[in-house]
Amino acid sequence: DQQVKQNSPSLSVQEGRISILNCDYTNSMFDYFLWYKKYPAEGPTFLISISSIKDKNEDGRFTVFLNKSAKHLSLHIVPSQPGDSAVYFCAASGTRGDFNKFYFGSGTKLNVKP
Amino acid sequence: GAVVSQHPSRVICKSGTSVKIECRSLDFQATTMFWYRQFPKQSLMLMATSNEGSKATYEQGVEKDKFLINHASLTLSTLTVTSAHPEDSSFYICSARDPMGPYSNQPQHFGDGTRLSIL
Repeated sequence: DQQVKQNSPSLSVQEGRISILNCDYTNSMFDYFLWYKKYPAEGPTFLISISSIKDKNEDGRFTVFLNKSAKHLSLHIVPSQPGDSAVYFCAASGTRGDFNKFYFGSGTKLNVKP
Repeated sequence: GAVVSQHPSRVICKSGTSVKIECRSLDFQATTMFWYRQFPKQSLMLMATSNEGSKATYEQGVEKDKFLINHASLTLSTLTVTSAHPEDSSFYICSARDPMGPYSNQPQHFGDGTRLSIL
């Protein structure tokens, strides 16, 4: 039973436009959410995170939005660049007893076209 | 630069062979490391939590006698796939949390993964 879902396996966006990657979760105990970026043959690298006490966190071109009532988060990349082409994983964790456990979505492959 | 090193990156071996994968934290001491498994087009599935100096904690459905984990030092955890069979072929990846890092809620640092292929 997958607790974190990324329903779009791929996304293609034109350079300079906005990329929006979506993620849904089912466990209401999750209170910390992260996005990781993964290039082929490399491990995931941390991109941005958000705590459940916030609904938005921004870092440069990357913004994560959290809608707790809908159990939904999204990553916005603007403007998108060809170097952003990678697989993006969202992850969630809780602080009650399983703080260290991260549950991952299946990833969305982003292709930014020049 | 990489803060977690995983070795080897690729293993191809015969059925029945045992395979050891190493995960090292390079710039920090990790009391806890994690082992994940990923099937094609699926999410990273947590297999077990590796605790330095104590037994690993396995997720439900993961055979602890099949996937032996040893966390003998603060910078090294190993995963041994014992008597591997073709169904064990997968992408295995480790991660570690830096307890002294800049985040109050530490993200995990991942190795580059090991592609295991059992013939």
